[in-house]
Amino acid sequence: EVQLLESGGGLVQPGGSLRLSCAASGFTFSAYTMSWVRQAPGKGLEWVSAITGSGDTTYHADSLKGRFTISRDNSENKLYLQMSSLRAEDTAVYYCTRDLLYYDRGGHGKWGQGSLVTVSS
Amino acid sequence: EIVLTQSPGTLSLSPGERATLSCRASQTFSNNYLAWYQQKQGQAPSLLIYGASNRATGIPDRFSGSGSGTDFTLTITRLEPEDFAVYYCQQYDESPWTFGQGTKVEIK
Repeated sequence: EVQLLESGGGLVQPGGSLRLSCAASGFTFSAYTMSWVRQAPGKGLEWVSAITGSGDTTYHADSLKGRFTISRDNSENKLYLQMSSLRAEDTAVYYCTRDLLYYDRGGHGKWGQGSLVTVSS
Repeated sequence: EIVLTQSPGTLSLSPGERATLSCRASQTFSNNYLAWYQQKQGQAPSLLIYGASNRATGIPDRFSGSGSGTDFTLTITRLEPEDFAVYYCQQYDESPWTFGQGTKVEIK
């Protein structure tokens, strides 16, 4: 069974940093593109970042470039999101997702339960 | 950046009725990499449709996706009580992979 378990969320002050982790199990982690998607309270979904299975290509939302960095450790089956210079508007539930397909793009086929990040003084 | 506009914002229907949700893109896609997601209150989203028209595993056949170019549609032929939720479209053709703002399907 595919499992994605996020951790590392919590309360952080404006301007601070935080690293989210996602522990993956139940599939060949290195074969899949992984992503982060966030959802501010009461708002819609916002795609944040993606990384290919090998880790050699990353994609980021234009508005977040330079502040958020996605990475992965295929030996540990873990996905990360390093967030810096955090702002109140970064407050959201952050979801770790796995692509549906390993051989092509197929959308976010699997989702974790989410990790809440609150940016506030 | 490809902007996705979903309409209507809210759809008020009764169980058994047909729901038609629209997703319009600001520019044409190359590969029809368009997905639809369902999100119920307090839950993570789940994938319904990928590649504009392919149902994900386990999705009932009352859900169907269609369209190409800039206009895409999600149709639910007969609404079941569990289908009342928020639906999002997303393009994953060109980075950044953008979402629409969502359509809420509510019980009339």
